[in-house]
Parts: sequence; C-alpha cells; structure tokens
Amino acid sequence: KNQVEQSPQSLIILEGKNCTLQCNYTVSPFSNLRWYKQDTGRGPVSLTIMTFSENTKSNGRYTATLDADTKQSSLHITASQLSDSASYICVVSDSNTGKLIFGQGTTLQVKP
Amino acid sequence: DAGVIQSPRHEVTEMGQEVTLRCKPISGHDYLFWYRQTMMRGLELLIYFNNNVPIDDSGMPEDRFSAKMPNASFSTLKIQPSEPRDSAVYFCASSPGQGLRGNTEAFFGQGTRLTVV
Repeated sequence: KNQVEQSPQSLIILEGKNCTLQCNYTVSPFSNLRWYKQDTGRGPVSLTIMTFSENTKSNGRYTATLDADTKQSSLHITASQLSDSASYICVVSDSNTGKLIFGQGTTLQVKP
Repeated sequence: DAGVIQSPRHEVTEMGQEVTLRCKPISGHDYLFWYRQTMMRGLELLIYFNNNVPIDDSGMPEDRFSAKMPNASFSTLKIQPSEPRDSAVYFCASSPGQGLRGNTEAFFGQGTRLTVV
C-alpha cells in the first residue's frame, strides 16, 4: 500500500534554532514530492516541489532534500521564527495513477 | 487576484440537513480540486475537475456527496443528508496546469469548517 509517513508527529523548538522534519514514502514510481506549510485555520501553501531527479531545493530558510533511492525526504528549517509555527505536510504524487498521497503532517511549534 | 475563495468559512448544521459549500477558483486556472481534512485522516482528495468536467471522483465517500462545476469560475460541493461524521474542513484548490498531478502549483482556499451536530 502506498504510504507517506512523517516524523516527528509534533515538535517544539526555541526561536532561532534549526530543525529537520522527515518524510518516508513507499510510493513508486512517483512524479514529484511536495512540502506544504499549513497555518492554523488556513489552507496549505506550497514550500517546494521536487521531481525524482532533484535532490535539493530551497525556498528562503526552508531547504528540502530528496533521496529517491532510499525514498526519504527532509525539510530543514534554518533560524526558526515564531511564524514558522504550523503543520508541515509531505505529499507524494503517484506516477501511475496521478493520485496524491498525503502524509499526516508534522506540527511545529516555535517558542520565544 | 484574490486567490481561491471559499464560502462559507464556517458552517454548523443539524444532522440530516443539506449543506452546500462554494468555491471560486483563481481566474484562468483550468483544474479545480475538492479536499477534506480531518485530524484522523489528514487531507483527502474528494474530486477534481478539468475545464469544468469531473475527471476523478473516486475519493467521494458516499452518494450523499456530490460536486458540480457549472462554469469556470464556480464550483459547489453538496452533502445531502449530512451526518456528524462529515464534520471536517473542506478545501478547494485550483491550478493552471495539472496541478497536484503534475509539477505545477496548486493554490488552496481558506477552507470551510463544517460541523454537523
């Protein structure tokens, strides 16, 4: 069964610190992997989109990595800010069906 | 553009009542998606349209759910009759290309929080 597993489920860090969120998937073959940020009470907003041939992509303080061999992705947040407090969702697109497989998300809380 | 606009933002209704959720996609986007989000199941794709035509409705949970897109600027998701287990946040998203099926971006609305009591 195709799955996307994210870890940790939740995370609390101090403002200014770095953190890394993990995404492991079994979807194969896949066309792309995305990371979304979802603030409380709002819709998801895209951070990065990576195809299977890309292994890193940055968006400001957010850097996503992808290892298609081990089927792992990570999202690294540098110098965290209070506004980074949100849920981060990993989404993998199944090439065969076009279906999107969503992870359950990691809830990040940045404290002052 | 104001982005994807959904209404209402919140809806509380009694079990058995009909509920209609509305979505206005970003002008020029030819893909529209309806999602449901719950704590237990996360985000789930219910149905998506291309050029106003439903392409894949395999995610629609039951016959009580129906979606329409009468024109390029408007879509509805209807639940009739509603049940407490339908309580969730419903998101609409639109995309200029294949969106979440391809490598182009999709833009989400603010969502409608539905509570069925």
